[in-house]
Formats: sequence, structure tokens, C-alpha cells
Amino acid sequence: DGGITQSPKYLFRKEGQNVTLSCEQNLNHDAMYWYRQDPGQGLRLIYYSQIVNDFQKGDIAEGYSVSREKKESFPLTVTSAQKNPTAFYLCASSIRDRDQETQYFGPGTRLLVL
Amino acid sequence: AQSVTQPDIHITVSEGASLELRCNYSYGATPYLFWYVQSPGQGLQLLLKYFSGDTLVQGIKGFEAEFKRSQSSFNLRKPSVHWSDAAEYFCAVGRPGGYQKVTFGTGTKLQVIP
Repeated sequence: DGGITQSPKYLFRKEGQNVTLSCEQNLNHDAMYWYRQDPGQGLRLIYYSQIVNDFQKGDIAEGYSVSREKKESFPLTVTSAQKNPTAFYLCASSIRDRDQETQYFGPGTRLLVL
Repeated sequence: AQSVTQPDIHITVSEGASLELRCNYSYGATPYLFWYVQSPGQGLQLLLKYFSGDTLVQGIKGFEAEFKRSQSSFNLRKPSVHWSDAAEYFCAVGRPGGYQKVTFGTGTKLQVIP
């Protein structure tokens, strides 16, 4: 069954702690994305990766880091430098047909600060 | 840079009534346009997309949207709303030409009353 999985569904972070959110896809999509969602603000792009071992900062990359060692996986680390990490985090992957790209989303991870 | 506006934060309709959710975009050329739906605590599901061609686009769950270049709009419609349509709806605009950033609107929350 193809799709995008995110784990865990809920994650709790203590002050000063780094936490890592998992995103895996078996759709054979080349590009993957991380978004942050806050109430009333829509989705804001954190990082994206078009190909393995390459990624670019989005609009709000400060306090976050990513890696793309495998095509299927794009983990996001929320570092202690991110002072307001409480949010809903969405991972997406996309397929491109010529110059037409469509993004598909995972179920999300809610990060809460203790 | 592109932008998208969803002027209605919250809409309430009666079950069985028709629905129109507004979306206005700003982009210098013909954009790629998307509508997504999000149930509480879930990821985003693609309803429909417009790349080119017929300006009236049919999607899943009985939704349709019409691209109007003269009005820079891509409004979402449904002739008869069901209680299960209650969710948050996001319009998004993308740029042609490969793996490009997609800009999301801030969402419209739909409430359906019996």
C-alpha cells in the first residue's frame, strides 16, 4: 500500500532537547518537503529536497535540520535553537510530470513542549 | 513570488446547501492551482488541481473548481454539502517549471449544520 508515513503521531520535547520527526514514502517520489502548520497561518515551508544528498532551506529553516540519505526518507530534527517548536508538522512528497508537480501529504506529527 | 488569499476564515452552511469557497492568487503568469482538504489532526488530501486546459476542473468527493484568469481566482464549489465535508480547505498556487515551492493559503474552515 503506497503512501507517506510520519512518526510518531505525537512527540513531546523537553527544553534544550533535540527531537527527530520521521518521514518515509514508498511512492518513488524524487522530492520531499517539510512544512510547519500553526493555527491561522496555513503551511510554511521549512526544508525541501529534490534529490538524495541535497536539500534547500525554506522560509523558516532556523532551528531545524534535515538529511536525505535515502530517496524514501527525509527526517526533520527540531533543535534546541527552535524556541517555539509547538506546531503540527507535515511531510510531503511530490511527483513531477514534465513541469507539473503535485505534492502529497503524510498524516502529520504534533510536537508539544513539556 | 506568488501569493494566495482565502478571504473567508470560517464558513457555515446547512447540509444539502451549495458551497463556494473563494481563492484569489497573485502570479505573473498562468499558475498551477490546487485545493486540499484537511480533517482535524490529519494531513492534507488533494481534492483537485489545475495545470492547463479546461478551466473547470472536477475533483474527488463531488467538488469542482473554476480557474478564472480575469479575476485571478480559483473558487471551489460543491452543489450539495454533506456533514462529512466539514473540514478545513486550503488553496495553493505553484509555479510551472519543476520542483518549485508551493504557496498555501491560510485556509477556510467549513462547518456544516444539520
